[in-house]
Amino acid sequence: DVKVTQSSRYLVKRTGEKVFLECVQDMDHENMFWYRQDPGLGLRLIYFSYDVKMKEKGDIPEGYSVSREKKERFSLILESASTNQTSMYLCASSSGRGNEQFFGPGTRLTVL
Amino acid sequence: GIQVEQSPPDLILQEGANSTLRCNFSDSVNNLQWFHQNPWGQLINLFYIPSGTKQNGRLSATTVATERYSLLYISSSQTTDSGVYFCAVGHTDKLIFGTGTRLQVFP
Repeated sequence: DVKVTQSSRYLVKRTGEKVFLECVQDMDHENMFWYRQDPGLGLRLIYFSYDVKMKEKGDIPEGYSVSREKKERFSLILESASTNQTSMYLCASSSGRGNEQFFGPGTRLTVL
Repeated sequence: GIQVEQSPPDLILQEGANSTLRCNFSDSVNNLQWFHQNPWGQLINLFYIPSGTKQNGRLSATTVATERYSLLYISSSQTTDSGVYFCAVGHTDKLIFGTGTRLQVFP
């Protein structure tokens, strides 16, 4: 079975802090994705990556950056957290373009 | 961009009832997935079904790509089926999610 893990289920940070959300997949998948989910807005794509050191902007990249130094790990970085980044963050991976995506358990981030 | 519409937005059922959830999309796609989001927020993969019909236990799904819709059938519903069901469609690499159908099953 595909397994996607995220470093924290719940996280509380203060405005202005630098925040790292980590995602690891164990299926040697090429593609990895970061989404955020908000009530009334649904799931929206922040960034994705086709390969190590590759990154592509999704629909809402502002205020975020990403890092993919190893194939199995994809990190989402909030350089200076703000209250409007309070959200549920979901990581996913897939074996190729158009292929099935598998999701991690999510991280509920609260920025105070 | 591609629009994804799910209906109904809310569904309340008694245990044992059957239901059909619908997903309409506005353009051709190369990926279509159905998910169940559990109360803890995890998205559980139900079907990867860009076209055709699949069955898994009490659940089945059909996608008619030429007419741009997909249906998810739940038979003999159970309380554990409660939660939000999402349809997501892919064009190239992105998955675009519908707004979901919230299902509540009462004993």
